[in-house]
Amino acid sequence: DAKTTQPPSMDCAEGRAANLPCNHSTISGNEYVYWYRQIHSQGPQYIIHGLKNNETNEMASLIITEDRKSSTLILPHATLRDTAVYYCIVSGNNRLAFGKGNQVVVIP
Amino acid sequence: DTAVSQTPKYLVTQMGNDKSIKCEQNLGHDTMYWYKQDSKKFLKIMFSYNNKELIINETVPNRFSPKSPDKAHLNLHINSLELGDSAVYFCASGTVDQPQHFGDGTRLSIL
Repeated sequence: DAKTTQPPSMDCAEGRAANLPCNHSTISGNEYVYWYRQIHSQGPQYIIHGLKNNETNEMASLIITEDRKSSTLILPHATLRDTAVYYCIVSGNNRLAFGKGNQVVVIP
Repeated sequence: DTAVSQTPKYLVTQMGNDKSIKCEQNLGHDTMYWYKQDSKKFLKIMFSYNNKELIINETVPNRFSPKSPDKAHLNLHINSLELGDSAVYFCASGTVDQPQHFGDGTRLSIL
C-alpha cells in the first residue's frame, strides 16, 4: 500500500524554485521522510531526508509540516538537469518502498 | 571512486540460460539490496543482506539467488531465465541510519 501521495507530474520553469509536494498522513513517529530522484533510468539518487525538522543540503531543502502529515521538497533554482522522477518515501528502517513518483519536467 | 558499481551494465541472453550480476560497494555499508525495475518503471525491492545475512526476501522466485561473499559484495544469480525477467536491476547499499546509494543498473534483456 502506498504510504505517500504525490502528483503524477508537474512542470517547473528553469531558474525558478521548484516546490514538490508529498502527503504522508499515516506516517509513524519513528518514520523518516526520504526523497530520491531518478534521471532517465539511471540509478535512484538520494536527495535528502528528515524526521521532523526542516533540512537543507547542497541539493535541496525539505520542509516538513508540524503534524508531519505532509512535506515539500524545494529545489531552489531548477535547471534542465533536474528533470527526473522524484520519489517521496517514508520509512523507519531505511527500507524503501518506491511509489510511482512525480515526473518533474524543467522547462527552459 | 564509484560508490556502488554493478557489472555488467547490459546483459542480453536467451531464455533458459543462467546468468549473474555482480555488485560491489566501497562505502563501508553493512546492508546491500537488489531492486528490480520493470517496463512500467515500478522499482521494487527483491532482497536485502546485512553483514552477509539475508534479511529481506520479497517473494522472489527461487530461480533468483543472492550471494554475499563479504559485506562489500552482493551478487545476483538467476537460473533458467524467463522472458518476464527482462528488466533493469539495481544494486544499493546503506545502513540503518545512512541513506541508500544505488548503482547505475544492469539492463537485462531476454531473447
